[in-house]
Amino acid sequence: NAGVTQTPKFRVLKTGQSMTLLCAQDMNHEYMYWYRQDPGMGLRLIHYSVGEGTTAKGEVPDGYNVSRLKKQNFLLGLESAAPSQTSVYFCASRRFEGQQYFGPGTRLLVL
Amino acid sequence: AQSVTQPDIHITVSEGASLELRCNYSYGATPYLFWYVQSPGQGLQLLLKYFSGDTLVQGIKGFEAEFKRSQSSFNLRKPSVHWSDAAEYFCAVGFMNTGFQKLVFGTGTRLLVSP
Repeated sequence: NAGVTQTPKFRVLKTGQSMTLLCAQDMNHEYMYWYRQDPGMGLRLIHYSVGEGTTAKGEVPDGYNVSRLKKQNFLLGLESAAPSQTSVYFCASRRFEGQQYFGPGTRLLVL
Repeated sequence: AQSVTQPDIHITVSEGASLELRCNYSYGATPYLFWYVQSPGQGLQLLLKYFSGDTLVQGIKGFEAEFKRSQSSFNLRKPSVHWSDAAEYFCAVGFMNTGFQKLVFGTGTRLLVSP
């Protein structure tokens, strides 16, 4: 099993550009999550999903959208990137009851 | 609102010495508790978790943690630190009023190991 994978690993955007981060898991997990990690702030939840076709807002959802059209994939979109969205983004997944498994992260730099 | 506090931003420990990393949370009921470790440039790896039962939990890499309900704490310990333990450690808490769907993370403690 590959576990949780994230695409791309690193990306540079200009302010105003859009992009989509892809998270894929092969563990048949129901729950999936998107976090951002910034120095000194730990991980903050952006959006999450409790099943295919459902999404919900987390702690810092503004400027992001998500979709979960397939159980194994969870997409995070930035419609108009801002420098404040420079961060490391982590995806995670878990079963109905259990620990979260994390992907390796995507480093995003917005100029 | 629920919160998780890791009061130590950095800790330096000599190799072979014991380690204790602190984690406190604010919540009335019993939460789900986790400790994760993150090496530079990597994702997060679970060290241990507490859902219920014995309040002393054993994890991987020789780590253990103790849930103390009266102190709302879940401190991480290791009796003898190895240089490879240098990393950032995150405490995370799941709360019943969110159906344990979400985790709240502390801001992390960076462990430095001196020779």
